[in-house]
Amino acid sequence: SQQGEEDPQALSIQEGENATMNCSYKTSINNLQWYRQNSGRGLVHLILIRSNEREKHSGRLRVTLDTSKKSSSLLITASRAADTASYFCATDYTGANSKLTFGKGITLSVRP
Amino acid sequence: NAGVTQTPKFQVLKTGQSMTLQCAQDMNHEYMSWYRQDPGMGLRLIHYSVGAGITDQGEVPNGYNVSRSTTEDFPLRLLSAAPSQTSVYFCASSRQGAGSPLHFGNGTRLTVT
Repeated sequence: SQQGEEDPQALSIQEGENATMNCSYKTSINNLQWYRQNSGRGLVHLILIRSNEREKHSGRLRVTLDTSKKSSSLLITASRAADTASYFCATDYTGANSKLTFGKGITLSVRP
Repeated sequence: NAGVTQTPKFQVLKTGQSMTLQCAQDMNHEYMSWYRQDPGMGLRLIHYSVGAGITDQGEVPNGYNVSRSTTEDFPLRLLSAAPSQTSVYFCASSRQGAGSPLHFGNGTRLTVT
């Protein structure tokens, strides 16, 4: 399987702290995407970062991509209880013909 | 805009029964896909379509059929349900395949007894 792997599998932090989640993948990619899933709902797209980009920001989210290490990080700053969710990275592998491959996800709990 | 609409939300089937999970999108997206989500397995791609009349297999296509006769609709058929197909099924669409963000429906929770 070409699944990306997220790390850690679960993360529990206090409201106001920063949360860092990592994703590693196996072969070259066109882009990498991060999604959030609240319990019982569909996934919501957060950020897409292309292989020629190193960093992207969106509000309190910061994503980095290191293609030499085949890894990406998602940083959520000043976390809130509403950030409690599962987070997934998804990779568009080069030559995968429009297939977006998801990792197994990270469960983030933000304690009020 | 409704986005991606999946029906039904819940379904219980007996082994061997067949059914169709419906998916419709109103964003004029060319790309549509079906994933299944199982505990500890993440999301796995079942089938996808890059446009009307074109479908292709994903990672776990066995036991499922799809067709894409219109841009808006992408139904998923279970031919003869098995307990291993108990899962949550998500339909997703995008403007440009894996090169653009996927928009997900809220899922269909299927139990096969």
